[in-house]
Amino acid sequence: QVTLRESGPALVKPTQTLTLTCTFSGFSLSTSGMCVSWVRQPPGKALEWLALIDWDDDKYYSTSLKTRLTISKDTSKNQVVLTMTNMDPVDTATYYCARVTTGTTYFDYWGQGTLVTVSS
Amino acid sequence: SYVLTQPPSVSVAPGQTARITCGGNNIGSKSVHWYQQKPGQAPVLVVYDDSDRPSGIPERFSGSNSGNTATLTISRVEAGDEADYYCQVWDSSSDHLVVFGGGTKLTVL
Repeated sequence: QVTLRESGPALVKPTQTLTLTCTFSGFSLSTSGMCVSWVRQPPGKALEWLALIDWDDDKYYSTSLKTRLTISKDTSKNQVVLTMTNMDPVDTATYYCARVTTGTTYFDYWGQGTLVTVSS
Repeated sequence: SYVLTQPPSVSVAPGQTARITCGGNNIGSKSVHWYQQKPGQAPVLVVYDDSDRPSGIPERFSGSNSGNTATLTISRVEAGDEADYYCQVWDSSSDHLVVFGGGTKLTVL
């Protein structure tokens, strides 16, 4: 059974750095072709792709947020971590992690999401 | 980066057919995936690779893709189909790897 769960602070202050952790089970990120990605959704708005890391530690970022994002993995802990620097109120959103399985280009499993509010 | 355009809203009466479009430059050359998202819930994959359905998704959900438009079709619409729907493609030619459409709110009248 594949599950993903996001964790991190519910509230951050402007200019702070956000660190989110995706803890997953039911698959291994060391399996060829596996990927984990982060997607966010501001309240009432559309999904926005942020970053992706694959089994080979290749990393891909949203071109508009690339300078602020870092994605990493800890295969032994089954975790993927996303950091976003210089947080702003417009970054208030529900942040999801999701899996892309080998040989596909879609997200087949999603976490339940975690709401992050940026406010002083 | 690649842009996907969806209508903000589509309305349909129960039992009728809903069609939600996703426009993009030569989108027919890409694989298009569709997600359903109900309020307060994570997105759920309903169609992948243009027209395939994950297990557990009703046959009422189908997809097509040609030219500059991909379409999600929901037949015999039910009240429970009311949700936001997003299309998504993988743009391996770009650094911006994953693209979502702006979403379409399906209202069941």
